[in-house]
Amino acid sequence: DVVMTQSPLSLPVTLGQPASISCRSSQSLVHSDGNTYLTWFQQRPGQSPRRLIYKVSKRDSGVPDRFSGSGSGTDFTLKISRVEAEDVGVYYCMQGTHWPFTFGQGTRLGIK
Amino acid sequence: EVHLVESGGALVQPGGSLRLSCGASGFSFSTYWMSWVRQAPGKGLEWVASINQDGSTKYYIDSVKGRFTVSRDNAKDSLYMQMNSLSADDTALYYCAGEPRTMEYWGQGTLVTVSS
Repeated sequence: DVVMTQSPLSLPVTLGQPASISCRSSQSLVHSDGNTYLTWFQQRPGQSPRRLIYKVSKRDSGVPDRFSGSGSGTDFTLKISRVEAEDVGVYYCMQGTHWPFTFGQGTRLGIK
Repeated sequence: EVHLVESGGALVQPGGSLRLSCGASGFSFSTYWMSWVRQAPGKGLEWVASINQDGSTKYYIDSVKGRFTVSRDNAKDSLYMQMNSLSADDTALYYCAGEPRTMEYWGQGTLVTVSS
């Protein structure tokens, strides 16, 4: 199975400051169809996961443009340009290239 | 607007069975692969199973193979999961999710607790 490793696991950030989460996979996530199925989710306290970014860098409708995704192959990053209070929660990466699909451990973002 | 509404979660004894349901609306259900994802209390997300559009292809995580069966009824816009031989390790909030490779849609989850 593909192992997804996120870092850091805990991320305290000052409001208005940037934040960055790394996600590394144990195998390349390039699918035979040419797509790279790396997705980022946000889970706010007490809520269901919400998709933010899919196929590495495509931002979902309604997601603020302060969120961006980048990377290729086995190395991916989620960046928040200026953290706001509503960004508090746990962030997960997920690979959808190789069955079984697997998630990272999650990164808990909090406010300093 | 897309809605996925799960139901069927309950407290069940070890070795017992449950059937989860997920009703879909707001999108063309019959054209989407669908999935179940679970989250144990205080833990991360774990993909459990997926089914293709006509139900002819199914994938499962190893830990549930032979015990869980995913199915769907496109006429009713509904997804199901029959869960047998349940153990404490299956205790989790079970989410219905759409399109497994990118999981665009999520429900609110239904809680399964396995305990004597």
